[in-house]
Amino acid sequence: EPEVTQTPSHQVTQMGQEVILRCVPISNHLYFYWYRQILGQKVEFLVSFYNNEISEKSEIFDDQFSVERPDGSNFTLKIRSTKLEDSAMYFCASSLRAVLNTEAFFGQGTRLTVV
Amino acid sequence: GENVEQHPSTLSVQEGDSAVIKCTYSDSASNYFPWYKQELGKGPQLIIDIRSNVGEKKDQRIAVTLNKTAKHFSLHITETQPEDSAVYFCAASPNAGNMLTFGGGTRLMVKP
Repeated sequence: EPEVTQTPSHQVTQMGQEVILRCVPISNHLYFYWYRQILGQKVEFLVSFYNNEISEKSEIFDDQFSVERPDGSNFTLKIRSTKLEDSAMYFCASSLRAVLNTEAFFGQGTRLTVV
Repeated sequence: GENVEQHPSTLSVQEGDSAVIKCTYSDSASNYFPWYKQELGKGPQLIIDIRSNVGEKKDQRIAVTLNKTAKHFSLHITETQPEDSAVYFCAASPNAGNMLTFGGGTRLMVKP
């Protein structure tokens, strides 16, 4: 069964450092998403990406965040200068079409710890 | 923006009993309501979804109901089994966008 894979599973970084979280979406999917879940809180939408551009983003997704699909298979989330409050589980997801019409498949997540 | 509230936050049932999880949403423009199951160490996995033109949907032991007037939807699991133990999330999505707004999650524990 096709699946979304994320690497690494756990990333520890120093405050102020840049991190890149990587995702390989399902190969024929066209829509890509990042969500995050701070411990004990709700899963929150960060950004959606379609046709090589951001289609929607939340207030959380400020100038410190960026996304990229560098090579047609990977989908990355970069945090430029990490803060303690960026510590969370980050989930990548992909769907064949806009989520209203098709299922969004989630990866297993990357736990980011900022120290 | 959309706000989704989910209750209860934890639910413990005996194997074989039914479990019901309820969600309310605030944005009347939302018309897609998926339910996700998250097992330890894994990402959320879709188990059932419902669109606003339908009031109820069933898939084996799982059913979802939607009341658009009251803006609430519920997940029903019958004949629960220990492998149903997980965290369940409801979510809502508006027609115009493709982002999901999640509820806070329900930790379901099925005791054998």
